[in-house]
Order: sequence, then structure tokens, then C-alpha cells
Amino acid sequence: QKEVEQDPGPLSVPEGAIVSLNCTYSNSAFQYFMWYRQYSRKGPELLMYTYSSGNKEDGRFTAQVDKSSKYISLFIRDSQPSDSATYLCAMSGGKLIFGQGTELSVKP
Amino acid sequence: EPEVTQTPSHQVTQMGQEVILRCVPISNHLYFYWYRQILGQKVEFLVSFYNNEISEKSEIFDDQFSVERPDGSNFTLKIRSTKLEDSAMYFCATPLAGLSTDTQYFGPGTRLTVL
Repeated sequence: QKEVEQDPGPLSVPEGAIVSLNCTYSNSAFQYFMWYRQYSRKGPELLMYTYSSGNKEDGRFTAQVDKSSKYISLFIRDSQPSDSATYLCAMSGGKLIFGQGTELSVKP
Repeated sequence: EPEVTQTPSHQVTQMGQEVILRCVPISNHLYFYWYRQILGQKVEFLVSFYNNEISEKSEIFDDQFSVERPDGSNFTLKIRSTKLEDSAMYFCATPLAGLSTDTQYFGPGTRLTVL
């Protein structure tokens, strides 16, 4: 079983839609959970981080962590074409373990 | 304002040649990380470096790789004899100022092409 699994997509939605991105993981020792956004051939940009279980909101973005299910989510409300990118989940136990990344396309 | 910059942005080299990739922090950092991303694949951890010593390395980080902080500011990743499969984006990362080392800020990356 892979440590972190993420559906690679691609995911295509119309502008204004609510987007749900998800990852599962196997290592119960992970404590920090991150979401990064990456544009082609650029460095990952940290969007949100959450420590342990719970929800965190930042503008149109909401991160959720369910440690009992080993499942994390990122919701994007009122999606915009500028949100089109690859979204990476990452878990931390010192070093970061990344998911495959989900390619998102928001169509005007 | 980025926490780190990386040079060069793109490096083309012949197989068997040595390459040095550089990471320049904006402010003093004790922790550094190197990651790589082969085109179309996930970001993979290579090595972590704390207070001028390697603290952890992955299976990828074999004897062909080395890291240094040669002058107390720049942080380098050296690949001694490049192979075709070393072609990838290489990122350095540091913890965000004032936050846990688990939250890492990535540089823009160096694209390494081995011919």
C-alpha cells in the first residue's frame, strides 16, 4: 500500500463550481497535513496546512483532516480559471511525503 | 518575497558530468531539504540537512549525491556523475519562518536535463 494516495485526475469543472480534492494515507504517525498548488515546471506553493484533525478555512479554500479514516480533503468554493493547476497533498513526519497530485482545470 | 531562490533555473549536461545545484536562503535557516520531481511523477524527498549535517536521506540519495553548505549561506546539491534518469526538477525547501519544520516553503526549482 502506498503511503499517500491521490487521484491524479484530470478534473475539469465549470467556473463557480465547488471542487473537492482528496487524499488517503496509511501512516498514522503523520501529524501535519499540507496542500500545495503547482503550476507546470514551477515549485510547489504552500496553500494550507493543518495540524492533526479538524477543519481550517482560508478564503475560498477549506482543508479537512479526518485522522480516524486517514483521509484529507481540500475544498475550493467558487472556483476560478486561475485555480487551474495541479494540487498536491503532502504529509509530514519531518520530511514531506507527497501524493501524485490532481490536475484541475476550471473552465470559464 | 520568496524564502529561497535557486540557481540555475535550467541546467543541461552530458551524461557522466558533475553538476552543482544551488539554493540561496533569504534569511538564516538551519533546516534545508532537497526534493526532486521527475516529469509527470510525484515530488520525492532526497535529503534533509540541519545545522550543517545530513539528518535524513532517502534511498535515492546514493553515493552519487552530496550536499554542502560551503560558505555558510548557499546550500548546494552535487551530483557527481549524472545519469539520464537524473533528469528532473530539483527543489530545495526550508521551513516557514516561525512555524514547525513540517511546513516547508519550496524554491522555484532547477530543471536538470541530462543528455
